[in-house]
Amino acid sequence: AQSVTQPDIHITVSEGASLELRCNYSYGATPYLFWYVQSPGQGLQLLLKYFSGDTLVQGIKGFEAEFKRSQSSFNLRKPSVHWSDAAEYFCAVAASGNTPLVFGKGTRLSVIA
Amino acid sequence: GAGVSQSPSNKVTEKGKDVELRCDPISGHTALYWYRQSLGQGLEFLIYFQGNSAPDKSGLPSDRFSAERTGGSVSTLTIQRTQQEDSAVYLCASTQTSAAYEQYFGPGTRLTVT
Repeated sequence: AQSVTQPDIHITVSEGASLELRCNYSYGATPYLFWYVQSPGQGLQLLLKYFSGDTLVQGIKGFEAEFKRSQSSFNLRKPSVHWSDAAEYFCAVAASGNTPLVFGKGTRLSVIA
Repeated sequence: GAGVSQSPSNKVTEKGKDVELRCDPISGHTALYWYRQSLGQGLEFLIYFQGNSAPDKSGLPSDRFSAERTGGSVSTLTIQRTQQEDSAVYLCASTQTSAAYEQYFGPGTRLTVT
């Protein structure tokens, strides 16, 4: 069975600082990996996804993530955080493109001036 | 175009009552998913419909939970004899069967069982 670990429950960064949110997954084969963002009172929005190919994927809102098979990781990064990035971030894995997602517990990002 | 819609947005019910939650997926999306988001358990998969295939019910927590999808479009999640632990936000998502594989989520229904 697949599983996802997001080690950081809550992270606080200063506006303009860089950001890295960690995600580790457990799955026997090459997984389908996703990062979603949930702003207060909003639904889940897909930031980026990885299926195959280039291990560095670009997403919306200036986010990127790197798939590292050797570390079973798919960390999310952003070079300069904006106050509007404050939200809950979820990493998810699926066995294939259409199968249900298995989510991590989420990381709440706070941005301070 | 229109996204995934869910109704009601909020539902308060008494313990022991039955509730129905509705999901309207994006037109043309063949796959539909129900998830539950609660403080203690995070985001959990409940049930998955793919076209005309039998649904994957492996995530349903008990036999009080059921779901149907009529005409390959609208889906209803029914919870019978609600319990306080059923209080959560119920999220619906849909996707096309294509290489995009992006699940589009609705805004959710917040269920409170008193």
